[in-house]
Amino acid sequence: GAVVSQHPSRVICKSGTSVKIECRSLDFQATTMFWYRQFPKQSLMLMATSNEGSKATYEQGVEKDKFLINHASLTLSTLTVTSAHPEDSSFYICSARYRLAGGRGTDTQYFGPGTRLTVL
Amino acid sequence: AQTVTQSQPEMSVQEAETVTLSCTYDTSESDYYLFWYKQPPSRQMILVIRQEAYKQQNATENRFSVNFQKAAKSFSLKISDSQLGDAAMYFCAYNIGGGADGLTFGKGTHLIIQP
Repeated sequence: GAVVSQHPSRVICKSGTSVKIECRSLDFQATTMFWYRQFPKQSLMLMATSNEGSKATYEQGVEKDKFLINHASLTLSTLTVTSAHPEDSSFYICSARYRLAGGRGTDTQYFGPGTRLTVL
Repeated sequence: AQTVTQSQPEMSVQEAETVTLSCTYDTSESDYYLFWYKQPPSRQMILVIRQEAYKQQNATENRFSVNFQKAAKSFSLKISDSQLGDAAMYFCAYNIGGGADGLTFGKGTHLIIQP
């Protein structure tokens, strides 16, 4: 099946610094990628939809100036957490849209392995 | 707004037995997609099964099957012949675009397999 990678898998940073997380589709082109956040023992919450070559669409309540998303190529989307604070500590997961010939409804999403961010 | 509800925080089943995980959802859409995802301790999300709302036939994938009741907005997952490797968090999810849209997830059910 299609593979999605994330880098880094874990990152620890100091409060006030910025952290960049990469999401790559390794063997397919993804015009759309999604970013989710998962707190411990909780569900995944969609943060934003990232479209190649255009601005990301953020879900209500997600600060676009804090969580910068760039989808500069068909295989790479990045999430930058700016001026990170301890409350930003979480597990961040991306997924990539895998397009099938049957059209929009037949497409599927493949998930990356996630990135654990700890802000001290 | 669409919501997905999983009312069972935890379920336990004996190995080789059958277990059913519940999921209900709320939507005003007539056309949409439903999914069950598995998240093992590795945290990697794995698609278990998907159902298109316009299809009346319940989806099946080997030991996994769903009971989709559109009028009741219910989408339960049945796991037959449970195996130790089935132990994981199971999330029910919804969207209107299949792979093209972000997913709305339920809170998850922690499935324990008793040997």
